[in-house]
Amino acid sequence: AQTVTQSQPEMSVQEAETVTLSCTYDTSESNYYLFWYKQPPSRQMILVIRQEAYKQQNATENRFSVNFQKAAKSFSLKISDSQLGDTAMYFCASQLMNRDDKIIFGKGTRLHILP
Amino acid sequence: ETGVTQSPTHLIKTRGQQVTLRCSSQSGHNTVSWYQQALGQGPQFIFQYYREEENGRGNFPPRFSGLQFPNYSSELNVNALELDDSALYLCASSLGQGEETQYFGPGTRLLVL
Repeated sequence: AQTVTQSQPEMSVQEAETVTLSCTYDTSESNYYLFWYKQPPSRQMILVIRQEAYKQQNATENRFSVNFQKAAKSFSLKISDSQLGDTAMYFCASQLMNRDDKIIFGKGTRLHILP
Repeated sequence: ETGVTQSPTHLIKTRGQQVTLRCSSQSGHNTVSWYQQALGQGPQFIFQYYREEENGRGNFPPRFSGLQFPNYSSELNVNALELDDSALYLCASSLGQGEETQYFGPGTRLLVL
């Protein structure tokens, strides 16, 4: 069974700082995706970044990057130059590849960006 | 905006009633998944439909049922509502055929009194 664990329920950082959100996961499969989703107060779940497990290179999307450690089953999200609009719940998630399978979500980290 | 829409945005029901939630997929997407997100929790998978057939189900009782229509819009039906069914219900659509990225709608907030 797949599991996703986020150990930081809540974090606060000052605007323009860099923040790292932690995530660990467990799966017996070898082909899977990992995601970070953002859910602002508007409730819309927005895909921030996606990592394919077979890729060694860490995914990057503008100010967002991940540190994917496959052997350790760790998948952290780094937000650089944080902005007020980054305030949201962030969910780490996993999904098996090539099976249109369900997404397994962690419990989330509430991130506050302070002015 | 993901192109996935849900209705209604909010709903209040009483215990024992039945409810139908609706989802309109992003254009060209033939797969829809439904998730339940309790307050303060991550979403949990309810079930998925692919081309009008159920294609997987999470750990939810049979009183949670669904439909997908030929235009790939979808419904989630919940019978005999319980207080614990109060949650945000999210639908997500995807292209299927191995393209797994799921695009979420804004959700329906259901309150059961």
